[in-house]
Amino acid sequence: GAGVSQSPSNKVTEKGKDVELRCDPISGHTALYWYRQRLGQGLEFLIYFQGNSAPDKSGLPSDRFSAERTGESVSTLTIQRTQQEDSAVYLCASSPGAGRKNEQFFGPGTRLTVL
Amino acid sequence: GENVEQHPSTLSVQEGDSAVIKCTYSDSASNYFPWYKQELGKGPQLIIDIRSNVGEKKDQRIAVTLNKTAKHFSLHITETQPEDSAVYFCAAGSSGGYQKVTFGTGTKLQVIP
Repeated sequence: GAGVSQSPSNKVTEKGKDVELRCDPISGHTALYWYRQRLGQGLEFLIYFQGNSAPDKSGLPSDRFSAERTGESVSTLTIQRTQQEDSAVYLCASSPGAGRKNEQFFGPGTRLTVL
Repeated sequence: GENVEQHPSTLSVQEGDSAVIKCTYSDSASNYFPWYKQELGKGPQLIIDIRSNVGEKKDQRIAVTLNKTAKHFSLHITETQPEDSAVYFCAAGSSGGYQKVTFGTGTKLQVIP
C-alpha cells in the first residue's frame, strides 16, 4: 500500500518568506509526527498529533513554526519568516496510534533551503 | 525529558565483519527501544525494536541487546554487506499511550567491499 508522502520534495526560499510543507500519512494511522533533521545530524522532534487529542507542540523551536492536522489525515507544517538556520530536511512520520504497534513510518522528507 | 547518546558517530568495517553501535538513555521510565536505518535521500525505516521485558532480540543478521540497569542498548550487525551502509539511529521512549521517542544522533556505517 501507499506509504507516507511529503510535498514538495525540495523547497528553496528566500529569507523572510513563509513556507508550507505537506504530509500525507498512511491511511488509518492516528498518530503523526514532524521532525527536523539538519545536515549530518539526528532527528529533532517538533510536534506530535494523536487522534483528536491536543497536539504536543513542545518541540517547536519558535513561534514562527506551527502545524495543523485535519482529523486523521493531511498535516501541514508552516514556517513563517524563514531564517537560514531553518534550512534542513523536514521529516513526517505516521504510526497506527496509542496502544498499538509503535513503529513510525517515515516519509522521504522535504529538503528546505533558505537563501 | 529523555536524553539519548549514540556512539560512534561514524564506523567503517570490512565486508563480512561485525558492526556494533551503542546507545545510552537517561529516563528509567523508557521501555521501548527501536533502531532505524536511513539510506541516502530516504526517511528512516524501522529495522528492529526491543522492549524492556527482554534482554536480547535477533532477526537474521541483526540483534539488539538491552541492559536496563545500566541504561544502555546496542545494535549488532554480523556478516556485514555493502547494502548495510547507511545511517543508523537508536531511540528510546514509552510503549504506552503516548508514543513519543527520543532519537540518538546517528551512526554513519560504511561497509567496505
